[in-house]
Amino acid sequence: NFMLTQPHSVSESPGKTVTISCTRSSGSIASNYVQWYQQRPGSSPTTVIYEDNQRPSGVPDRFSGSIDSSSNSASLTISGLKTEDEADYYCQSYDSSIHVVFGGGTKLTVL
Amino acid sequence: QLQLQESGPGLVKPSETLSLTCTVSGGSISSSSYYWGWIRQPPGKGLEWIGSIYYSGSTYYNPSLKSRVTISVDTSKNQFSLKLSSVTAADTAVYYCARRTFYAFDIWGQGTMVTVSS
Repeated sequence: NFMLTQPHSVSESPGKTVTISCTRSSGSIASNYVQWYQQRPGSSPTTVIYEDNQRPSGVPDRFSGSIDSSSNSASLTISGLKTEDEADYYCQSYDSSIHVVFGGGTKLTVL
Repeated sequence: QLQLQESGPGLVKPSETLSLTCTVSGGSISSSSYYWGWIRQPPGKGLEWIGSIYYSGSTYYNPSLKSRVTISVDTSKNQFSLKLSSVTAADTAVYYCARRTFYAFDIWGQGTMVTVSS
Protein backbone atom coordinates (compact mmCIF):
# COMPACT_ATOMS: atom_id res chain seq x y z
CA ASN A 1 0.00 0.00 0.00
CA PHE A 2 1.02 3.65 -0.25
CA MET A 3 1.11 6.63 2.11
CA LEU A 4 0.06 10.23 1.64
CA THR A 5 2.37 12.77 3.30
CA GLN A 6 1.27 16.28 4.21
CA PRO A 7 3.10 19.09 5.98
CA HIS A 8 2.18 19.16 9.65
CA SER A 9 1.26 22.84 9.60
CA VAL A 10 1.13 25.93 7.41
CA SER A 11 0.33 29.53 8.20
CA GLU A 12 -0.50 32.59 6.17
CA SER A 13 -2.11 35.98 6.53
CA PRO A 14 -5.70 36.87 5.67
CA GLY A 15 -6.17 37.74 2.01
CA LYS A 16 -3.12 35.75 0.92
CA THR A 17 -2.89 32.42 -0.89
CA VAL A 18 -1.73 29.15 0.67
CA THR A 19 -1.01 25.78 -0.88
CA ILE A 20 -1.06 22.47 1.01
CA SER A 21 0.72 19.52 -0.57
CA CYS A 22 -0.03 15.80 -0.40
CA THR A 23 2.71 13.51 -1.69
CA ARG A 24 2.05 9.88 -2.63
CA SER A 25 4.81 7.49 -1.55
CA SER A 26 4.46 4.89 -4.31
CA GLY A 27 2.41 4.51 -7.44
CA SER A 28 1.22 7.40 -9.54
CA ILE A 29 -0.77 10.23 -7.96
CA ALA A 30 -2.75 10.33 -11.20
CA SER A 31 -3.85 6.71 -10.83
CA ASN A 32 -6.56 7.38 -8.27
CA TYR A 33 -8.57 10.49 -7.52
CA VAL A 34 -7.60 12.68 -4.57
CA GLN A 35 -10.09 14.31 -2.22
CA TRP A 36 -9.57 17.07 0.34
CA TYR A 37 -11.49 17.48 3.59
CA GLN A 38 -11.73 20.44 5.94
CA GLN A 39 -12.19 19.78 9.66
CA ARG A 40 -12.86 22.62 12.05
CA PRO A 41 -12.31 21.99 15.78
CA GLY A 42 -15.07 19.87 17.28
CA SER A 43 -16.70 19.19 13.92
CA SER A 44 -16.89 16.37 11.42
CA PRO A 45 -14.84 16.64 8.22
CA THR A 46 -16.46 18.14 5.13
CA THR A 47 -15.38 17.77 1.52
CA VAL A 48 -13.83 20.82 -0.12
CA ILE A 49 -12.40 19.07 -3.21
CA TYR A 50 -13.26 15.71 -4.78
CA GLU A 51 -11.94 13.88 -7.85
CA ASP A 52 -8.71 15.93 -7.82
CA ASN A 53 -10.21 19.31 -8.68
CA GLN A 54 -13.99 19.32 -8.32
CA ARG A 55 -15.72 21.55 -5.78
CA PRO A 56 -18.94 20.44 -4.10
CA SER A 57 -21.78 22.92 -4.29
CA GLY A 58 -21.46 25.49 -1.56
CA VAL A 59 -17.66 25.43 -1.43
CA PRO A 60 -16.27 28.82 -2.51
CA ASP A 61 -14.20 29.01 -5.68
CA ARG A 62 -11.34 30.24 -3.48
CA PHE A 63 -10.66 26.52 -2.98
CA SER A 64 -8.99 24.64 -5.82
CA GLY A 65 -7.28 21.30 -6.26
CA SER A 66 -4.64 20.00 -8.65
CA ILE A 67 -2.25 17.13 -9.17
CA ASP A 68 1.38 17.23 -10.34
CA SER A 69 2.75 13.99 -11.76
CA SER A 70 6.32 15.30 -11.72
CA SER A 71 6.32 15.57 -7.93
CA ASN A 72 3.74 12.79 -7.51
CA SER A 73 1.67 15.07 -5.36
CA ALA A 74 -1.71 16.71 -5.07
CA SER A 75 -2.25 20.24 -3.88
CA LEU A 76 -5.03 22.21 -2.25
CA THR A 77 -4.84 25.94 -2.86
CA ILE A 78 -6.88 28.45 -0.91
CA SER A 79 -6.83 32.02 -2.17
CA GLY A 80 -8.12 35.16 -0.47
CA LEU A 81 -7.64 33.52 2.92
CA LYS A 82 -10.25 34.20 5.58
CA THR A 83 -10.01 33.54 9.27
CA GLU A 84 -12.86 31.02 8.85
CA ASP A 85 -10.53 28.89 6.70
CA GLU A 86 -8.45 28.08 9.78
CA ALA A 87 -8.86 24.33 10.19
CA ASP A 88 -7.21 20.95 9.67
CA TYR A 89 -7.10 19.72 6.07
CA TYR A 90 -6.77 16.08 5.05
CA CYS A 91 -6.09 14.59 1.66
CA GLN A 92 -7.49 11.16 0.82
CA SER A 93 -7.15 8.65 -1.98
CA TYR A 94 -7.64 4.91 -2.43
CA ASP A 95 -5.82 1.92 -3.90
CA SER A 96 -6.74 -0.65 -6.51
CA SER A 97 -8.65 -2.64 -3.91
CA ILE A 98 -10.64 0.52 -3.03
CA HIS A 99 -8.95 0.63 0.35
CA VAL A 100 -8.99 4.22 1.59
CA VAL A 101 -5.83 6.13 2.50
CA PHE A 102 -5.78 9.43 4.41
CA GLY A 103 -2.92 11.85 4.68
CA GLY A 104 -1.78 12.81 8.17
CA GLY A 105 -3.45 16.19 8.05
CA THR A 106 -2.25 19.79 7.89
CA LYS A 107 -3.15 22.46 10.42
CA LEU A 108 -3.80 25.76 8.66
CA THR A 109 -3.38 28.87 10.77
CA VAL A 110 -4.63 32.18 9.38
CA LEU A 111 -2.89 34.88 11.35
CA GLN B 1 -31.62 15.40 3.36
CA LEU B 2 -29.56 12.34 4.18
CA GLN B 3 -28.24 12.14 7.73
CA LEU B 4 -26.10 9.61 9.58
CA GLN B 5 -26.08 9.08 13.33
CA GLU B 6 -23.67 6.93 15.31
CA SER B 7 -24.78 5.19 18.49
CA GLY B 8 -23.22 2.86 21.02
CA PRO B 9 -21.38 2.71 24.35
CA GLY B 10 -18.99 5.53 25.12
CA LEU B 11 -16.85 3.36 27.40
CA VAL B 12 -15.46 -0.09 26.63
CA LYS B 13 -13.17 -2.21 28.79
CA PRO B 14 -9.79 -3.41 27.49
CA SER B 15 -9.91 -6.77 25.68
CA GLU B 16 -13.65 -6.43 25.06
CA THR B 17 -15.47 -5.74 21.79
CA LEU B 18 -16.44 -2.23 20.70
CA SER B 19 -19.84 -2.15 18.96
CA LEU B 20 -21.30 0.85 17.16
CA THR B 21 -24.30 1.34 14.89
CA CYS B 22 -24.88 3.99 12.24
CA THR B 23 -28.50 4.83 11.43
CA VAL B 24 -29.16 6.35 8.02
CA SER B 25 -32.17 8.66 7.68
CA GLY B 26 -33.54 10.65 4.77
CA GLY B 27 -32.41 8.09 2.22
CA SER B 28 -31.93 4.39 1.57
CA ILE B 29 -28.85 2.44 2.55
CA SER B 30 -29.66 0.10 -0.35
CA SER B 31 -28.68 2.62 -3.01
CA SER B 32 -26.35 1.02 -5.55
CA SER B 33 -24.43 4.29 -5.90
CA TYR B 34 -22.82 4.32 -2.47
CA TYR B 35 -20.70 2.49 0.04
CA TRP B 36 -20.92 3.06 3.79
CA GLY B 37 -17.87 3.43 5.96
CA TRP B 38 -16.31 3.85 9.38
CA ILE B 39 -13.46 6.25 10.12
CA ARG B 40 -11.87 7.01 13.48
CA GLN B 41 -9.80 9.83 14.93
CA PRO B 42 -7.78 9.41 18.15
CA PRO B 43 -7.68 12.53 20.33
CA GLY B 44 -5.43 15.14 18.75
CA LYS B 45 -4.55 12.89 15.81
CA GLY B 46 -5.55 12.35 12.20
CA LEU B 47 -8.21 10.35 10.42
CA GLU B 48 -7.91 6.58 10.02
CA TRP B 49 -10.14 4.56 7.69
CA ILE B 50 -11.48 1.43 9.38
CA GLY B 51 -13.52 -0.14 6.60
CA SER B 52 -16.43 0.11 4.20
CA ILE B 53 -19.44 -1.97 3.21
CA TYR B 54 -21.72 -2.10 0.20
CA TYR B 55 -25.46 -2.66 0.66
CA SER B 56 -25.02 -6.17 -0.78
CA GLY B 57 -22.73 -6.99 2.14
CA SER B 58 -19.35 -6.79 0.39
CA THR B 59 -16.77 -5.48 2.84
CA TYR B 60 -13.39 -3.76 2.57
CA TYR B 61 -11.17 -3.39 5.64
CA ASN B 62 -8.03 -1.47 6.57
CA PRO B 63 -5.32 -4.17 6.44
CA SER B 64 -3.91 -2.97 9.76
CA LEU B 65 -7.24 -3.60 11.52
CA LYS B 66 -8.67 -6.41 9.42
CA SER B 67 -8.11 -9.18 11.96
CA ARG B 68 -10.24 -7.35 14.56
CA VAL B 69 -12.93 -5.64 12.48
CA THR B 70 -16.36 -6.73 11.31
CA ILE B 71 -18.73 -4.39 9.47
CA SER B 72 -22.26 -5.50 8.69
CA VAL B 73 -25.38 -3.98 7.16
CA ASP B 74 -29.07 -4.33 8.03
CA THR B 75 -31.05 -2.95 5.10
CA SER B 76 -34.38 -3.55 6.87
CA LYS B 77 -33.37 -1.09 9.58
CA ASN B 78 -31.36 1.20 7.28
CA GLN B 79 -28.34 0.69 9.53
CA PHE B 80 -24.78 -0.55 9.35
CA SER B 81 -22.60 -1.59 12.25
CA LEU B 82 -19.01 -1.84 13.40
CA LYS B 83 -17.48 -4.41 15.73
CA LEU B 84 -13.86 -4.06 16.82
CA SER B 85 -12.57 -6.86 19.02
CA SER B 86 -9.80 -7.05 21.62
CA VAL B 87 -9.68 -3.31 22.14
CA THR B 88 -6.86 -1.48 23.90
CA ALA B 89 -6.31 2.12 24.93
CA ALA B 90 -4.98 2.75 21.41
CA ASP B 91 -8.53 2.27 20.11
CA THR B 92 -9.77 5.29 22.07
CA ALA B 93 -11.06 7.68 19.43
CA VAL B 94 -13.96 9.56 17.92
CA TYR B 95 -15.66 7.10 15.56
CA TYR B 96 -17.41 8.49 12.49
CA CYS B 97 -19.73 6.78 10.07
CA ALA B 98 -19.95 8.20 6.57
CA ARG B 99 -21.44 7.67 3.14
CA ARG B 100 -18.92 7.00 0.46
CA THR B 101 -19.11 7.38 -3.29
CA PHE B 102 -16.54 5.19 -4.98
CA TYR B 103 -13.93 7.86 -4.40
CA ALA B 104 -14.92 10.13 -1.51
CA PHE B 105 -16.80 10.38 1.75
CA ASP B 106 -19.49 12.95 1.05
CA ILE B 107 -21.74 12.82 4.12
CA TRP B 108 -20.47 12.23 7.67
CA GLY B 109 -22.12 11.57 10.98
CA GLN B 110 -21.38 13.82 13.93
CA GLY B 111 -19.05 11.25 15.46
CA THR B 112 -19.13 9.45 18.79
CA MET B 113 -16.32 9.33 21.34
CA VAL B 114 -15.35 5.86 22.54
CA THR B 115 -12.95 5.49 25.44
CA VAL B 116 -11.24 2.21 26.23
CA SER B 117 -10.60 2.01 29.96
CA SER B 118 -11.17 -0.29 32.88
